[in-house]
Amino acid sequence: QKEVEQDPGPLSVPEGAIVSLNCTYSNSAFQYFMWYRQYSRKGPELLMYTYSSGNKEDGRFTAQVDKSSKYISLFIRDSQPSDSATYLCARQVGGATNKLIFGTGTLLAVQP
Amino acid sequence: GAGVSQSPRYKVAKRGQDVALRCDPISGHVSLFWYQQALGQGPEFLTYFQNEAQLDKSGLPSDRFFAERPEGSVSTLKIQRTQQEDSAVYLCASSQLSWVGGGQRPYNQPQHFGDGTRLSIL
Repeated sequence: QKEVEQDPGPLSVPEGAIVSLNCTYSNSAFQYFMWYRQYSRKGPELLMYTYSSGNKEDGRFTAQVDKSSKYISLFIRDSQPSDSATYLCARQVGGATNKLIFGTGTLLAVQP
Repeated sequence: GAGVSQSPRYKVAKRGQDVALRCDPISGHVSLFWYQQALGQGPEFLTYFQNEAQLDKSGLPSDRFFAERPEGSVSTLKIQRTQQEDSAVYLCASSQLSWVGGGQRPYNQPQHFGDGTRLSIL
């Protein structure tokens, strides 16, 4: 079992829809979780990060962590064609490195 | 520029050749990471530098992979005797280092990535 599991999609939605992207993780330690957006042939771009449990909102984006079920979610409201990209969830490891462990990414297409 | 810069953007090499990939982190960022991203996969950690010290190289797949950051700024990832399985996008990320726990414990702020070097081995 991978440490961070993510449905690769692809996920296709009409413009204006609410998008729900999800990951599960296996490690129980307190930690940060990140969501990155990656456009084709570009590097990952940090969208949001949140600590072990709870919600965080930033504009049209809401990140949610459910520690009891080890579930990470990203919600996108009023989705736009410009949101079409691969969305990567990541767990930040503790210790001296704080390296990131990524899921496989979910490919999202928002149809105009 | 203000972001992480990587060069070259694309590199094609014949199997067996050596390659060198360069990363310019965000100015002032103490921490620097290298990741490898295979097609259709998320990035996978290769190695981590704090200033010029390589604190973690547990993700380097073989002794053909070597990374350095001699002056604590620019970093180079070198792959010797390249193989076809080395074909991937190599991403560099940098972050600020904070101190938590009353200044006792280092913590890396969220990482910012460059656009990567797409390496193809023929």
